[in-house]
Amino acid sequence: SQTIHQWPATLVQPVGSPLSLECTVEGTSNPNLYWYRQAAGRGLQLLFYSVGIGQISSEVPQNLSASRPQDRQFILSSKKLLLSDSGFYLCAWTGDTHTTEAFFGQGTRLTVV
Amino acid sequence: SQKIEQNSEALNIQEGKTATLTCNYTNYSPAYLQWYRQDPGRGPVFLLLIRENEKEKRKERLKVTFDTTLKQSLFHITASQPADSATYLCALQSGGSYIPTFGRGTSLIVHP
Repeated sequence: SQTIHQWPATLVQPVGSPLSLECTVEGTSNPNLYWYRQAAGRGLQLLFYSVGIGQISSEVPQNLSASRPQDRQFILSSKKLLLSDSGFYLCAWTGDTHTTEAFFGQGTRLTVV
Repeated sequence: SQKIEQNSEALNIQEGKTATLTCNYTNYSPAYLQWYRQDPGRGPVFLLLIRENEKEKRKERLKVTFDTTLKQSLFHITASQPADSATYLCALQSGGSYIPTFGRGTSLIVHP
């Protein structure tokens, strides 16, 4: 069966520090991968998505970046965190058809202090 | 611009009643609509998918309707239970994109 792992679960980082969140998927190949951010009381904001290794599309300009070094690995990074980067970050994957749902990781609660 | 609207106010109901949640959208022509459940501090979990040519979909105590004329989907939970308390998100996919776009979600609180 397919599983998605995302870590860490919680993270407290000072302003200006770097960030690296990792997400891996098991039990499927060629998944479409996504990073969403959910601010308190807000919906899921799509940050990045990827349809293949090395292929990254950015939805929102910001100081975050994403990379997909392997088929089932998706990484969210920042060189210097801002206070506004605080939020709940979710990795997800889907198949490449409309009839498959999105599977989400457990999420990472990031607090920038 | 495209917009997905879900009631930001929490829905409070008594156990055993039917909960009805609404998802409205504008400037969008979704071919597929999904509903997810999200518990605090967790990622959303898929519940149901309905296509634009389907009027209604059922799964156990859940029912989803999709009215492309009204640009609205209704999500019903019959015989609600306190364990149904969570935030429910709708997500839309257009015919040309598989990327789900999510609404903000509506919190449901079922009182025993």
